[in-house]
Amino acid sequence: AQKVTQAQTEISVVEKEDVTLDCVYETRDTTYYLFWYKQPPSGELVFLIRRNSFDEQNEISGRYSWNFQKSTSSFNFTITASQVVDSAVYFCALSEETDKLIFGTGTRLQVFP
Amino acid sequence: GAGVSQSPRYKVAKRGQDVALRCDPISGHVSLFWYQQALGQGPEFLTYFQNEAQLDKSGLPSDRFFAERPEGSVSTLKIQRTQQEDSAVYLCASSSDQRGGYGYTFGSGTRLTVV
Repeated sequence: AQKVTQAQTEISVVEKEDVTLDCVYETRDTTYYLFWYKQPPSGELVFLIRRNSFDEQNEISGRYSWNFQKSTSSFNFTITASQVVDSAVYFCALSEETDKLIFGTGTRLQVFP
Repeated sequence: GAGVSQSPRYKVAKRGQDVALRCDPISGHVSLFWYQQALGQGPEFLTYFQNEAQLDKSGLPSDRFFAERPEGSVSTLKIQRTQQEDSAVYLCASSSDQRGGYGYTFGSGTRLTVV
């Protein structure tokens, strides 16, 4: 069965703090894709990253970085030096051989000035 | 267009009323998806089109839900005899990739409230 677990419901930090959002997934497939999306208050889902199951290399994009570890079925997301504009709900998602995304329940991040 | 456009942005329906939600995908995008997002939850898959063919409708919660994409571009999600549990945000997404694996572009959604 496919499942994505985001155990952190809500995280609050002060600006400039680093914050890590956890994501644990379950799948029986050997080929799959993992995603992170950001959902600001306006409601649209903004694509952040896609990773396939054969690429465990960590990725860094500006203040964002992702750590993919197949051994622990985790795909964690770190924001370095957080800013108020990072405040949003962040979703981790899984896609297997089918096309649909299986989303976690999301983590609400609040960054205070 | 530049992005995925959904209309209306908000819809209030009386219980039992039929509603139609529209999605205009990015021009040329092959794949189109509908998701339902209840308050405080992650989006849940409803259905998927590749061009005009509905390849997966396993997520539609009941036979009151119906989706179409007759010309392979604009899609409509119709809900008949709406019930309170249908209240949610309905998100549409499109992708140029036939599998959607390269990342979908989502619209801002239609917030449906059934009273």
